[in-house]
Amino acid sequence: AQTVTQSQPEMSVQEAETVTLSCTYDTSESDYYLFWYKQPPSRQMILVIRQEAYKQQNATENRFSVNFQKAAKSFSLKISDSQLGDAAMYFCAYKGANFGNEKLTFGTGTRLTIIP
Amino acid sequence: DTAVSQTPKYLVTQMGNDKSIKCEQNLGHDTMYWYKQDSKKFLKIMFSYNNKELIINETVPNRFSPKSPDKAHLNLHINSLELGDSAVYFCASSLAGQNEKLFFGSGTQLSVL
Repeated sequence: AQTVTQSQPEMSVQEAETVTLSCTYDTSESDYYLFWYKQPPSRQMILVIRQEAYKQQNATENRFSVNFQKAAKSFSLKISDSQLGDAAMYFCAYKGANFGNEKLTFGTGTRLTIIP
Repeated sequence: DTAVSQTPKYLVTQMGNDKSIKCEQNLGHDTMYWYKQDSKKFLKIMFSYNNKELIINETVPNRFSPKSPDKAHLNLHINSLELGDSAVYFCASSLAGQNEKLFFGSGTQLSVL
């Protein structure tokens, strides 16, 4: 079974600075997809960024980028120019590529605090 | 227009009662899910349906019974509620492609007293 580990229960960063959230995963599959979701206090789950495992190029979405290291099974999220609205729980998630395994397996989350 | 809507948003009930949570998506997706988020914020898949057919059923007590009358709806019925059922339940939907993201509802906070 796949597992996702987020070793940082809490992180904080000064506004406008850069922060990196860590995520590692374990799988025997060669093809899969990785996601970062954000959950602000409103409770809504919001997709931040996604990465296909077969792509070597790291995904970027505006101020958000990932460092995907397939051999190390690592998928960290970098947030640049942190803003107050970035304060939330961040969840790393894994999705298998085989039919019938189309579920997201989540890590335990990292609570990100932005210091004004 | 809400893409994935769940009702109710909050549900407070006594132990032993039976309750239902409804979910509807207007995105035309063919796959729907139920996730449970516990008090430590851990999110875990419960069920997944594809075109009304159950495809994922994690180890969930059989007091939980999902029902999908059509591919736009996936309801969750819970019998004989227990204290440990208190959690936030999220409905989600996606297209069937493996790289498709999940769209989540806003969650139903269930409190069992």
